[in-house]
Amino acid sequence: AQSVTQPDIHITVSEGASLELRCNYSYGATPYLFWYVQSPGQGLQLLLKYFSGDTLVQGIKGFEAEFKRSQSSFNLRKPSVHWSDAAEYFCAVGAHYGQNFVFGPGTRLSVLP
Amino acid sequence: EAQVTQNPRYLITVTGKKLTVTCSQNMNHEYMSWYRQDPGLGLRQIYYSMNVEVTDKGDVPEGYKVSRKEKRNFPLILESPSPNQTSLYFCASSPGDSGNTIYFGEGSWLTVV
Repeated sequence: AQSVTQPDIHITVSEGASLELRCNYSYGATPYLFWYVQSPGQGLQLLLKYFSGDTLVQGIKGFEAEFKRSQSSFNLRKPSVHWSDAAEYFCAVGAHYGQNFVFGPGTRLSVLP
Repeated sequence: EAQVTQNPRYLITVTGKKLTVTCSQNMNHEYMSWYRQDPGLGLRQIYYSMNVEVTDKGDVPEGYKVSRKEKRNFPLILESPSPNQTSLYFCASSPGDSGNTIYFGEGSWLTVV
């Protein structure tokens, strides 16, 4: 069965520091991979997605993620974190939208001034 | 504006009192689904629908019902709510192609006392 793990429940970084959020997946076929962000009290916003092609994908708000098939990973990165990036981040994997679409447990990001 | 609209956004109800959370999308998407979000568990799929009159169980369907009589609407029904259904609920929709982006509603906070 497919699954997504996000090893870090909570990460704290200083504003301006770099960020990497980890995501590992288990999936029987070629995965479609997503990162979503949820600000407090808000819904989920898509940051970026990977379907095929270049394994380094760019998203909104300066985020990028790299797909590494050999490591079954899809880590999210940002070179310089802003205070407004404090939120919860979810990695997700799926093939078809409504079938086998699985979210990870989320990583909460705190940003120190 | 492309939207997934859920109502109510906030609800406190009592055990056993039937309730319905409505969901409507204006993007003519074929696929719709419901998720619940609980701390440490991420989002778990309750039910999904591939088209009108076509629905199927997700990972946590117990205690819920859905219907898809129209393409734009996908209500979530709790026939006899229990406290363990206290959660944050998200409706989502997506076009029919594999791997396409899922659009989320803003969420419905449900408390069952």
